[in-house]
Amino acid sequence: AIQMTQSPSSLSASVGDRVTITCRASQDIRNDLGWYQQKPGEAPKLLIYAVSNLQSGVPSRFSGSGSGTDFTLTISSLQPEDFATYFCLQDFNYPLTFGGGTKVEIK
Amino acid sequence: QLQLQESGPGLVKPSETLSLSCTVSGGSISSSSSYWGWIRQPPGKGLEWIGTIHYGGSTYYDPSLKSRVTMSVDTSKNQFSLKLTSVTAADTAVYYCTRRHRAGSGIYYIDYWGQGTLVTVSS
Repeated sequence: AIQMTQSPSSLSASVGDRVTITCRASQDIRNDLGWYQQKPGEAPKLLIYAVSNLQSGVPSRFSGSGSGTDFTLTISSLQPEDFATYFCLQDFNYPLTFGGGTKVEIK
Repeated sequence: QLQLQESGPGLVKPSETLSLSCTVSGGSISSSSSYWGWIRQPPGKGLEWIGTIHYGGSTYYDPSLKSRVTMSVDTSKNQFSLKLTSVTAADTAVYYCTRRHRAGSGIYYIDYWGQGTLVTVSS
C-alpha cells in the first residue's frame, strides 16, 4: 500500500497567517491527491481534488500544488472557520490511503 | 444534491457481525461514474479506508480487512451495505459511507460523505 506521510501533525497559527501543510507519498501518485477538512463531530469535507482543483463552494484562499510524491495544501490567509484538522488522500490506486492529519489550532 | 445516510446498530458484541447500510438520496446508486464506499475513524484517530463497490458488482477492499468484509448494493432501495465479521474492540469507530466520483480524464475523488455513525464493539 502507498504510505502517505503528512506534516506537521499539528500547528498553531493566527488569523491572517499563511499556512502550509505537506503530504509525501511513498511512490509516484501522479496527480491523484485530494485534501479534506474535518471539524469536530463532522464528516470530512472535500477541499481540493487532483492536486489543485478547488471543489465547488470552497473559498479561494485554499490552494493545492505538487506532483509525483510531494504535495502541498496552502491556506493563504487563515480565517476563524479554518481551525480544523486536514487530511490528504491518495486516489492513485487501491487501497486508498490517508495522511495522518494536521490539526490547525489557534495561536 | 446527493445525500448519504448511514444506518445500523450502534453497539455490536465482540465476535459478532457489524452491519451497516447507506441510503443514497438525490441521485441514483446505478450511476456508472459513482463508486460507493466505507471509511472509518476510530475515536481520536485518523481515517481508514475500508473498501469500495460499484453498482455493477466490482469490489475493492483494504487488504487488512478483506477476509472479514463484504459490501453489496441494492439498486431497488438505492442503498449499499457493509458487513464486517468477527469484530473486536479495535473495530470501534465512526463509520462513514462515501461516494467516489469518476470525473473526466480519469480523475477520481471522494466528494460526498454521510454524517457518520459511531459503532462501539463491547459486550
